[in-house]
Amino acid sequence: DGGITQSPKYLFRKEGQNVTLSCEQNLNHDAMYWYRQDPGQGLRLIYYSQIVNDFQKGDIAEGYSVSREKKESFPLTVTSAQKNPTAFYLCASSIAGAGGRNEQFFGPGTRLTVL
Amino acid sequence: QKEVEQNSGPLSVPEGAIASLNCTYSDRGSQSFFWYRQYSGKSPELIMSIYSNGDKEDGRFTAQLNKASQYVSLLIRDSQPSDSATYLCAFKAAGNKLTFGGGTRVLVKP
Repeated sequence: DGGITQSPKYLFRKEGQNVTLSCEQNLNHDAMYWYRQDPGQGLRLIYYSQIVNDFQKGDIAEGYSVSREKKESFPLTVTSAQKNPTAFYLCASSIAGAGGRNEQFFGPGTRLTVL
Repeated sequence: QKEVEQNSGPLSVPEGAIASLNCTYSDRGSQSFFWYRQYSGKSPELIMSIYSNGDKEDGRFTAQLNKASQYVSLLIRDSQPSDSATYLCAFKAAGNKLTFGGGTRVLVKP
């Protein structure tokens, strides 16, 4: 089955810790995205990547880092510099190309809680 | 002014009725528009895409786009309790990114 997987489903972080969220897709999509969703809110873009070894900051990149070493994988690290990381994190992918329509498909999400 | 405006709801609809959701956007250059459905605690699911003015129908869903007035709407016909969810509208902005609205919560009452 083609799709997007995220792990873990739930993650608990202590103050001062860095944690890494996994996102893998087998849809052969070039572009991948990370969003954050807070309760009762819409989605805010953290980082996105349209091609391997290249990525751009979204609207709320501070305190986060990413890498894109493989087409299938786009891990997100939540660093200790992110002051309020408790949120629902969503990974998405799409066929890339600025002229494309950019239908994005989402993984199941990771719920991060800071203890 | 926010880039995407949606009424947060809840929009309460009797079972079998039509649910009408609206979304306005500020970017006149937008070309692609999307509706996502998100059940509580789950990730968004793409249910409709629309790219040109007019109506697009898919089953019980109809999306309507009016670029001159900068709004896109979603109609859900014969609403079912399983349609109870939050509906997010989104449009493709510069740099191949999507901008999302805050969502409209829909409650379908049996």
